[in-house]
Amino acid sequence: SAVISQKPSRDICQRGTSLTIQCQVDSQVTMMFWYRQQPGQSLTLIATANQGSEATYESGFVIDKFPISRPNLTFSTLTVSNMSPEDSSIYLCSARLSRVETQYFGPGTRLLVL
Amino acid sequence: AQKVTQAQTEISVVEKEDVTLDCVYETRDTTYYLFWYKQPPSGELVFLIRRNSFDEQNEISGRYSWNFQKSTSSFNFTITASQVVDSAVYFCALYFGGSGGSNYKLTFGKGTLLTVNP
Repeated sequence: SAVISQKPSRDICQRGTSLTIQCQVDSQVTMMFWYRQQPGQSLTLIATANQGSEATYESGFVIDKFPISRPNLTFSTLTVSNMSPEDSSIYLCSARLSRVETQYFGPGTRLLVL
Repeated sequence: AQKVTQAQTEISVVEKEDVTLDCVYETRDTTYYLFWYKQPPSGELVFLIRRNSFDEQNEISGRYSWNFQKSTSSFNFTITASQVVDSAVYFCALYFGGSGGSNYKLTFGKGTLLTVNP
């Protein structure tokens, strides 16, 4: 299994600012992902974080709004840029040891944008 | 395309009752993986079980059991003698291992909110 930590656990931000969320995995993983969970909703995949290259974004999500870095096999960051109240959500980091393994999730970052 | 349907939005039971959470999935691939996750009020997503498409054996873990039936594309989850601590949102999820752009991406159902009352 993989143990995943995220920082910060929660934040309250002002409209128009940006927040960077950090994700650390306790082992080297092949795949890392970022999800958004809006209040009362299911999880939506934002992007797959690729080590050493640009992230692969899902439909409806763009790099300018959600820039992602993954400098190595255990760490990734997600930035929520130019925030608006609609960005208020839980953001979850997720990782999988290999393509066919179980996917584990971090504790999430609860973001409130005023 | 792949899809996971959890038709039950909310279920409320009294402690010690048995409860079954339904999950129906759609995928064209023959190789796929099914999951159940629990999300308690704290928000963390807790992995419960993983099942691959070649293993139709049902599984029991304590009070939890899972029934996988490929013939009906269902992967249902039963909690026996429910407890208040079981109160959470439960998500069924799927990824498939075929070719194509969306393979290996975990697709979630909308979740079922289970409330166990004392």
